[in-house]
Amino acid sequence: GQSLEQPSEVTAVEGAIVQINCTYQTSGFYGLSWYQQHDGGAPTFLSYNGLDGLEETGRFSSFLSRSDSYGYLLLQELQMKDSASYFCAVRDLNSGYSTLTFGKGTMLLVSP
Amino acid sequence: IAGITQAPTSQILAAGRRMTLRCTQDMRHNAMYWYRQDLGLGLRLIHYSNTAGTTGKGEVPDGYSVSRANTDDFPLTLASAVPSQTSVYFCASSDRGTGELFFGEGSRLTVL
Repeated sequence: GQSLEQPSEVTAVEGAIVQINCTYQTSGFYGLSWYQQHDGGAPTFLSYNGLDGLEETGRFSSFLSRSDSYGYLLLQELQMKDSASYFCAVRDLNSGYSTLTFGKGTMLLVSP
Repeated sequence: IAGITQAPTSQILAAGRRMTLRCTQDMRHNAMYWYRQDLGLGLRLIHYSNTAGTTGKGEVPDGYSVSRANTDDFPLTLASAVPSQTSVYFCASSDRGTGELFFGEGSRLTVL
């Protein structure tokens, strides 16, 4: 089966930088995704890493090391609106079918 | 702008009753998914479908069934609801071959 580990909660102040780590164990690994979910809302896609290295999208960056089964989401210039839950998810390819398995989520609390 | 539409948004149901959660997408995505989200457990995959006419079991399929008669619709049925099925249910879709899922707004189900 698949398993993902990420911290349950992270706190930071406005303007700071925060890193949310994710380690995973899976067979048929095909990529690591990150999603944001505000309280009461739907998860929304942030980034995807299929290959090792850093992907940057505005204030958010995501990193993957397949040899270490590890990735992280980096949020820069934190804003109050970044307070949300963040989920890493691994994409598996088994028997030609692609599914996403999610971690339990990291709640980010940004304070003034 | 539609994307994915789920119905109902909220429902209270007596144990033992049958319930179908509806999900429709207008993006012509091949793959569709049903997840349940419970506090502290993240998003867990119930069932998925990679293309019309095919379905597969996810991590927590017991007590649920799905069908995929066409590309747009992916209903989730609880044949005989139990209190442990109280949860928020999210339908999602993706183009086959990507790590990006598009989620509906969720259906909050309470089984008493």
